[in-house]
Amino acid sequence: GAGVSQSPSNKVTEKGKDVELRCDPISGHTALYWYRQRLGQGLEFLIYFQGNSAPDKSGLPSDRFSAERTGESVSTLTIQRTQQEDSAVYLCASKPGGLTYEQYFGPGTRLTVT
Amino acid sequence: AQTVTQSQPEMSVQEAETVTLSCTYDTSESDYYLFWYKQPPSRQMILVIRQEAYKQQNATENRFSVNFQKAAKSFSLKISDSQLGDAAMYFCAYRRLQGGSEKLVFGKGTKLTVNP
Repeated sequence: GAGVSQSPSNKVTEKGKDVELRCDPISGHTALYWYRQRLGQGLEFLIYFQGNSAPDKSGLPSDRFSAERTGESVSTLTIQRTQQEDSAVYLCASKPGGLTYEQYFGPGTRLTVT
Repeated sequence: AQTVTQSQPEMSVQEAETVTLSCTYDTSESDYYLFWYKQPPSRQMILVIRQEAYKQQNATENRFSVNFQKAAKSFSLKISDSQLGDAAMYFCAYRRLQGGSEKLVFGKGTKLTVNP
């Protein structure tokens, strides 16, 4: 079946603009994650959605970052008033609920803020 | 706080040889999962191997195996018979469970080059 998809693949924006990144998880996966990967670094957790539970937003770096998820489907990550330090690859992952452990990653969105 | 440390920013290996990538982690938990992920230039994160902390036996997946030393909090990845397609960034990760939430904590990665 289809894997996790993300759009756009690449995004170049000017400092101060808002951007919206989209993630389509694997159908039926109740858990969804966003991670940020800065150049030469590992992945940093941003936010976790699980079904209808309140999301874990503890990894969002500032109030310019927000994310939404519609039920158990699409998620959008919004960055307002982008800064150059927001330049990174943003990766989305999903997994089935329950005791499963493997997260399935999308190909990421490379965001460049000029 | 849980942290994951990969002390080798870069490693290289000759094709068909064996290479070991190091990872140490810090946790106060007794039961947890550890993972190695591969990230080729396509950016796609691919799960290579996992280890449950309660299992004493080291995990093996074909040419990939781990040396899990729980007391030392060490989790190294051994790649045998290295192939050109193994060239990628490799990330060690710890699965953290807290208050109904779940996340992966990653190291900074090791870039593996495979020389023909």
